[in-house]
Amino acid sequence: QVQLQESGPGLVKPSETLSLSCTVSGGSISSYYWSWIRRPPGKGLEWIGYIYNSGSTNYNPSLKSRVTISIDTSKNQFSLKLSSVTAADTAVYFCARAHSSGRIFDSWGQGTLVTVSS
Amino acid sequence: DIQMTQSPSSLSASVGDRVTITCRASQSISSYLNWYQQKPGKAPNLLIYAASSLQSGVPSRFSGSGSGTDFTLTISSLQPEDFATYYCQQSYSAPWTFGQGTKVEIK
Repeated sequence: QVQLQESGPGLVKPSETLSLSCTVSGGSISSYYWSWIRRPPGKGLEWIGYIYNSGSTNYNPSLKSRVTISIDTSKNQFSLKLSSVTAADTAVYFCARAHSSGRIFDSWGQGTLVTVSS
Repeated sequence: DIQMTQSPSSLSASVGDRVTITCRASQSISSYLNWYQQKPGKAPNLLIYAASSLQSGVPSRFSGSGSGTDFTLTISSLQPEDFATYYCQQSYSAPWTFGQGTKVEIK
């Protein structure tokens, strides 16, 4: 059974870049769509974007100018970079595997809290 | 973006109760609707996809129905392990969007 685990700093300063990685175990990253989703405190889930193993990406337009998702198949990892962060980017960040053209999330990581604060 | 609205935002129920959660889309999404369960500190879990298809390994007490704009998730007989937060998600049109969640608590 595939497992996903997020890693990265829990505290980021305003205007800096948030960087997270997701390590996939128990299965190959060389298929499916690999996604990032977040949940700000007291709010619902927000899809950030996905990458396919070919390197093709699709981002939420609300974040597109600040988001980069990349993949390293040799390490079975994919990563998220979110630039110019503000307090509004404070959230629990989840990585997830998706199928059906990235539409349905069938495996998730447990999530990691990232706080944006000076 | 398609807005997803869940109701209620929270509910209290007893073990053995039948529980229904509703999800409404701001426009028709055909049957492109998925349901997830999340327990505190745990990864979300896919329960239902395409409005009514049960994900492998999910107990049969969970069921989904609806099409167009109105959908329901039903738990036929609530079990202790079902106390959690439930989210709907539309997969009709990117960006994929989620409801705000329904927290099911012990009565």
